[in-house]
Amino acid sequence: KNQVEQSPQSLIILEGKNCTLQCNYTVSPFSNLRWYKQDTGRGPVSLTIMTFSENTKSNGRYTATLDADTKQSSLHITASQLSDSASYICVVSARKSNYQLIWGAGTKLIIKP
Amino acid sequence: DGGITQSPKYLFRKEGQNVTLSCEQNLNHDAMYWYRQDPGQGLRLIYYSQIVNDFQKGDIAEGYSVSREKKESFPLTVTSAQKNPTAFYLCASSISSGDGQSYEQYFGPGTRLTVT
Repeated sequence: KNQVEQSPQSLIILEGKNCTLQCNYTVSPFSNLRWYKQDTGRGPVSLTIMTFSENTKSNGRYTATLDADTKQSSLHITASQLSDSASYICVVSARKSNYQLIWGAGTKLIIKP
Repeated sequence: DGGITQSPKYLFRKEGQNVTLSCEQNLNHDAMYWYRQDPGQGLRLIYYSQIVNDFQKGDIAEGYSVSREKKESFPLTVTSAQKNPTAFYLCASSISSGDGQSYEQYFGPGTRLTVT
């Protein structure tokens, strides 16, 4: 069964600190993996998209990594800011279906001053 | 401003009533989607449309209906047959996936529906 598991469920860190969020998936055949940021009560906004051949991609202070062999991805946030408080969602696309996106439940990140 | 809009932001209805959620985009995207988000769960696909006058059921279509009469608009009706309609509803659009590729989806701000 295609699944995306994220950990931790929630995380609280102090402003200025770094953190890493994890995503494990069992989606096959793999097409791409995305990380979205979702502010409370808003729609998700794309941070990165990675295909099979990419093992790292950055977007400002956000860096995503992908290990297609172990089916794991991580999202590293550097020098966190209060505005980073949000849910971060890992989404994996299966290649054989045009529209099948498998969504993780997200990690809720809270940045404290 | 280019983007995707949903209205209203909050919607309250009595049990047994149908309700229609609006979704409009001016991104010139062919494909549009409706998702439902519940606390602690990933987004679940309700319906999607690749092109005008065509739409397909997603994973949880029961109790919902859609129409796609215009490229810009993809309204979702939550019918009285939907057993647990209270949720956050998200609309998205993308370049059409007709070639089998999965393109980035752009999301609207969402509508929070409460049915009592």
